[in-house]
Amino acid sequence: SQTIHQWPATLVQPVGSPLSLECTVEGTSNPNLYWYRQAAGRGLQLLFYSVGIGQISSEVPQNLSASRPQDRQFILSSKKLLLSDSGFYLCAWGGRTSGANVLTFGAGSRLTVL
Amino acid sequence: AQSVTQPDIHITVSEGASLELRCNYSYGATPYLFWYVQSPGQGLQLLLKYFSGDTLVQGIKGFEAEFKRSQSSFNLRKPSVHWSDAAEYFCAVGRSGGSYIPTFGRGTSLIVHP
Repeated sequence: SQTIHQWPATLVQPVGSPLSLECTVEGTSNPNLYWYRQAAGRGLQLLFYSVGIGQISSEVPQNLSASRPQDRQFILSSKKLLLSDSGFYLCAWGGRTSGANVLTFGAGSRLTVL
Repeated sequence: AQSVTQPDIHITVSEGASLELRCNYSYGATPYLFWYVQSPGQGLQLLLKYFSGDTLVQGIKGFEAEFKRSQSSFNLRKPSVHWSDAAEYFCAVGRSGGSYIPTFGRGTSLIVHP
């Protein structure tokens, strides 16, 4: 069966520090991968999505970046965090067949920037 | 472009009462429709989905939803709410395709009173 892992689960970082959130998927090949952010009291904001290794599309201009060094690995990074980067970050994967629309989400990473 | 509207930010019901969460979508063709649930501090879990066929779909945890094309709606229902149903509920719309990007509503927070 397919599983998705995100880490770390919780992170407290000072303003201006770097960030790396990692997401890995098991049990599937060539998935579509997504990074979402949830700010307090708000819905889901799509940050990045990827249809393959090295292929990243950015939905919102910001100081975050994403990379996909391996088929089932998706990394969210920042060189210098801002206070506004605080939030709940969710990684998700989707397939390529008729069920492609069904997303499976990780448990999330809570980032607090102080 | 597709869009999803969840008109209710918060819904409060008593335990044992019936529930209906509203979702309206905008999409030019027949959409793929979804409901996800998010417990506090967790990722999203798929409750149910509609791709085609019977417009009344059954999901997990006793939930159902009905696709009404004439009203562009996909409302979520449950006949008797349990305290454990308190969570955030997201409606989403999608389409077929390899480079698929789902569109989520802003979510409805369900509060259950004992």
